Amino acid sequence: NAGVTQTPKFQVLKTGQSMTLQCAQDMNHEYMSWYRQDPGMGLRLIHYSVGAGITDQGEVPNGYNVSRSTTEDFPLRLLSAAPSQTSVYFCASRRRLAARSDTQYFGPGTRLTVL
Amino acid sequence: TQLLEQSPQFLSIQEGENLTVYCNSSSVFSSLQWYRQEPGEGPVLLVTVVTGGEVKKLKRLTFQFGDARKDSSLHITAAQTGDTGLYLCAGEDRGSTLGRLYFGRGTQLTVWP
Repeated sequence: NAGVTQTPKFQVLKTGQSMTLQCAQDMNHEYMSWYRQDPGMGLRLIHYSVGAGITDQGEVPNGYNVSRSTTEDFPLRLLSAAPSQTSVYFCASRRRLAARSDTQYFGPGTRLTVL
Repeated sequence: TQLLEQSPQFLSIQEGENLTVYCNSSSVFSSLQWYRQEPGEGPVLLVTVVTGGEVKKLKRLTFQFGDARKDSSLHITAAQTGDTGLYLCAGEDRGSTLGRLYFGRGTQLTVWP
């Protein structure tokens, strides 16, 4: 198992550009989510999905879109990049949402800089 | 407003010393998780505590969930240089948004030889 994979590892964008951060998991997990991590802020939830075709907003969803057409993939789209979106983005997955003991696995992260 | 307050934010100690990291909230959580994160990597789950008053041990690490399920602590005995990293607590709230995890800001631990 590769676990949770994210691409790219690093990305530099200009203000106003759009891009998609890729996330995939090969563990057949129902629950997938996107977080951003900023210095001194911890991790903040952007969007999450409880299964294919089902997504919902987290704490900081503005400026981001998601879709979940398959169980494996959960891409995060930046519609029009802004410097405030400079951050490290983590994708995470978990087998079932309902089980408190299920481990949540994080990907290695994408470091995004918006100029 | 941060739902989970972690303290201290930074901790720098010598190898062999003991330390405790705290995670406090005014909210009740259905479970609380502790993660460790290395530079350039994603957080890795250390433990999940689900019952008020629960204590879990992972070698030299002891995790405790408060009786009221609002706070938790991580105690490391005889710290080693390999314990260096960012420690994050995260509370799961099943009352409002199902399964949502709220993270603290983290404690950056540095253990010197």
